[in-house]
Amino acid sequence: NAGVMQNPRHLVRRRGQEARLRCSPMKGHSHVYWYRQLPEEGLKFMVYLQKENIIDESGMPKERFSAEFPKEGPSILRIQQVVRGDSAAYFCASSPTGVGEQFFGPGTRLTVL
Amino acid sequence: AQTVTQSQPEMSVQEAETVTLSCTYDTSENNYYLFWYKQPPSRQMILVIRQEAYKQQNATENRFSVNFQKAAKSFSLKISDSQLGDTAMYFCAFMKGSGNTGKLIFGQGTTLQVKP
Repeated sequence: NAGVMQNPRHLVRRRGQEARLRCSPMKGHSHVYWYRQLPEEGLKFMVYLQKENIIDESGMPKERFSAEFPKEGPSILRIQQVVRGDSAAYFCASSPTGVGEQFFGPGTRLTVL
Repeated sequence: AQTVTQSQPEMSVQEAETVTLSCTYDTSENNYYLFWYKQPPSRQMILVIRQEAYKQQNATENRFSVNFQKAAKSFSLKISDSQLGDTAMYFCAFMKGSGNTGKLIFGQGTTLQVKP
């Protein structure tokens, strides 16, 4: 049973470009969460999705950031017009229910030049 | 709003000895979960141990155990017989047990160095 998959593992973008981060949850998991980790800090919640629905986006910046979890395919975190402050590690986690243990992917390290 | 505080940014311990990492939290909820996650240099987040707030018994997982003090809102992690592979950043995390929100609220982390 494969774990949570994230790709790419490393992503380099220039200011103003778009970044697309993908997350495939564990098999049987319909709940997906995205977290951001700035250097030397803890993880901060961004958004919680359950197949085709955004349940909680209270941690998402109001502009440039969006997330989706379509019926088929991976969850996508999209950052438009990236700025240097978006440089961070972005982690995806999944769970079979909405509470309890979350299983984390290896993260995507985004670097904005 | 819930908050999680880890007051020890860095700690070190000699191999084979015991170390305790502190965590306090603030919430008005009665039903919740608490977790300790480990993040080694690979940056992969690994669950170490979990505790349901309604359970009075402290959780244990092999060399890892917690001291859960609900009234004091304290959730410390004890690592016994420390091993070099325990070197990592450790995060304490809180999750509400109801309300259809599964988000984890993390503390700032404690960097643990196990010395040979």
